[in-house]
Amino acid sequence: KQEVTQIPAALSVPEGENLVLNCSFTDSAIYNLQWFRQDPGKGLTSLLLIQSSQREQTSGRLNASLDKSSGRSTLYIAASQPGDSATYLCAVGQGAQKLVFGQGTRLTINP
Amino acid sequence: ETGVTQTPRHLVMGMTNKKSLKCEQHLGHNAMYWYKQSAKKPLELMFVYNFKEQTENNSVPSRFSPECPNSSHLFLHLHTLQPEDSALYLCASSQPQWGGATDTQYFGPGTRLTVL
Repeated sequence: KQEVTQIPAALSVPEGENLVLNCSFTDSAIYNLQWFRQDPGKGLTSLLLIQSSQREQTSGRLNASLDKSSGRSTLYIAASQPGDSATYLCAVGQGAQKLVFGQGTRLTINP
Repeated sequence: ETGVTQTPRHLVMGMTNKKSLKCEQHLGHNAMYWYKQSAKKPLELMFVYNFKEQTENNSVPSRFSPECPNSSHLFLHLHTLQPEDSALYLCASSQPQWGGATDTQYFGPGTRLTVL
């Protein structure tokens, strides 16, 4: 059974810092890996999707990497802003429609 | 309305009540999902519907009864719930892909359910 773990559970940093969120998974047989952002009362928003054959994806100040063999992914956020404060969820794609989520990292960016 | 909407946004019910959660998607998708997000637990897939047919039931207790009358609407009927069923229930939709590609799921804001 696939298990996804995110470390740390919570992180608080001052504005402007670069930071890394970590995700690990136990079964390397994955379709892809996604990073989501969850804001209170607004559901989930997909940030980046990395296919199993890819090593990384970039979108603006976000960069996600995938090392399938070691069962790890990282989300790098550059030049953090208060608007980046949210819970970040990592989800492993186990099939076309099945996502297995981690518990998330609650990120707070202090002005 | 755009995207995926859910009603009500908050619901408090007793263990003997019967209530329903509603989800509507305005994206023209043909797959819809129910997820449960409990405190201190990861988001869990409950049900998947494709073209109105249930294709996944992740061992969900029968006190949760889903209904998908058409590709745009999804309901979750609740009956005789337990306090441990209190959680955020999220709905999502996607357009089924073929050839092994992964669907991109779009999520609603969720219904916060409290069972007393």
